[in-house]
Amino acid sequence: NAGVTQTPKFQVLKTGQSMTLQCAQDMNHNSMYWYRQDPGMGLRLIYYSASEGTTDKGEVPNGYNVSRLNKREFSLRLESAAPSQTSVYFCASSVEQGYNSPLHFGNGTRLTVT
Amino acid sequence: QQQVKQSPQSLIVQKGGIPIINCAYENTAFDYFPWYQQFPGKGPALLIAIRPDVSEKKEGRFTISFNKSAKQFSLHIMDSQPGDSATYFCAASMRGGGSQGNLIFGKGTKLSVKP
Repeated sequence: NAGVTQTPKFQVLKTGQSMTLQCAQDMNHNSMYWYRQDPGMGLRLIYYSASEGTTDKGEVPNGYNVSRLNKREFSLRLESAAPSQTSVYFCASSVEQGYNSPLHFGNGTRLTVT
Repeated sequence: QQQVKQSPQSLIVQKGGIPIINCAYENTAFDYFPWYQQFPGKGPALLIAIRPDVSEKKEGRFTISFNKSAKQFSLHIMDSQPGDSATYFCAASMRGGGSQGNLIFGKGTKLSVKP
């Protein structure tokens, strides 16, 4: 029972390059989320998927796209990476979207854009 | 109005001390207040949560105090240990569909407990 698995753990990109961050959960959760964590900024929601087949913007969606591939997998794509996207990215899942449903986080992907 | 303000940004205490982390909010529609604990290199994990119909909740050495009239809540760690050294995030959310139910996180407090 791995919980939430993120790949890769580390990545260095050059400005303008693209990449996809992968996330999978094995808890049969309906909802999945992508957050970014920056020093002094806390956790900010990028996109979320309340259920399979739906995706919605969070607080900071610009520069990102997401795909809910199936119930288990939720990917985050950077089409043209910028230095401002240097961050630690966390995927999370929950039984249901929102209120009173605890989030289960992966261990993050540390991304550096040069 | 959607913000959750957390203080202090960092905190250093001696083993056995009682660190206190405070959070304040403006939106009176918030009615679920969890705390998450994050160790270095790991993702955050739910520590303890409270709803505004109670003023205090304890789980082991961790206590949430809630003051509805002041719109503030705080985390106290009794008999703190070096293993409690971590970053702590408060959060809030409200009932309702769509984005309303998503958690709003504070900016975090880095706690260091010295031996």
